[in-house]
Amino acid sequence: EVQLVESGGGLVQPGGSLRLSCAASGFTFSNYWMSWVRQAPGKGLEWVANIKQDRSENYYVDSVKGRFTISRDNAKNSLYLQMNSLRAEDTAVYYCARLRIAVAGTSWFDPWGQGTLVTVSS
Amino acid sequence: SYVLTQPPSVSVAPGKTARITCGGNNIGSKRVHWYQQKPGQAPVLVIYYDSDRPSGIPERFFGSNSGNTATLTITRVEAGDEADYYCQVWDSSSDHAVFGGGTQLTVL
Repeated sequence: EVQLVESGGGLVQPGGSLRLSCAASGFTFSNYWMSWVRQAPGKGLEWVANIKQDRSENYYVDSVKGRFTISRDNAKNSLYLQMNSLRAEDTAVYYCARLRIAVAGTSWFDPWGQGTLVTVSS
Repeated sequence: SYVLTQPPSVSVAPGKTARITCGGNNIGSKRVHWYQQKPGQAPVLVIYYDSDRPSGIPERFFGSNSGNTATLTITRVEAGDEADYYCQVWDSSSDHAVFGGGTQLTVL
């Protein structure tokens, strides 16, 4: 069974840092792009970042560029999100998701982890 | 950046057909994917590539896409279909995923 399990969320003060982890199982992790998607309380979904299989490419939504870093360890089947200079507006459930890419230049997310809540507040 | 527009809510009686729209500029030229999210749960892919269903998704879920509107159609709606539904495309000009704002489906 394909499974993604996030961890590392919690309460952090504005300006602080947090590192999220995502443990993957049930598929060959090193064969897939991976992503982080977040959802603020009561709000919709927002894509955050992607990383290529060999870590040679990564992409970020503008609002987190320079503050968040996506990384992966294929030997440990793990995805990470290092979040620095956190702001109140970063408060959200953060989901890890496998990115499926089609030849036709489109991509979708399947499956998703259960999410981990990050709360930025003083 | 590319914008997807969904109605905030749709209501339907059990056994009837629900249609959830996703509007975007010439969205018919893109491939649209749909997710179902029940309260307190992670999103689940229900339609990808406009109209393909992942394994385990009932045939009652159907997707279409043309012109400026993509549509998720759910036939013979059941109480268990009550959820938020999100459409998503890939904006190749920015290499970003774009989500619609979501539609809350209420089964009356």
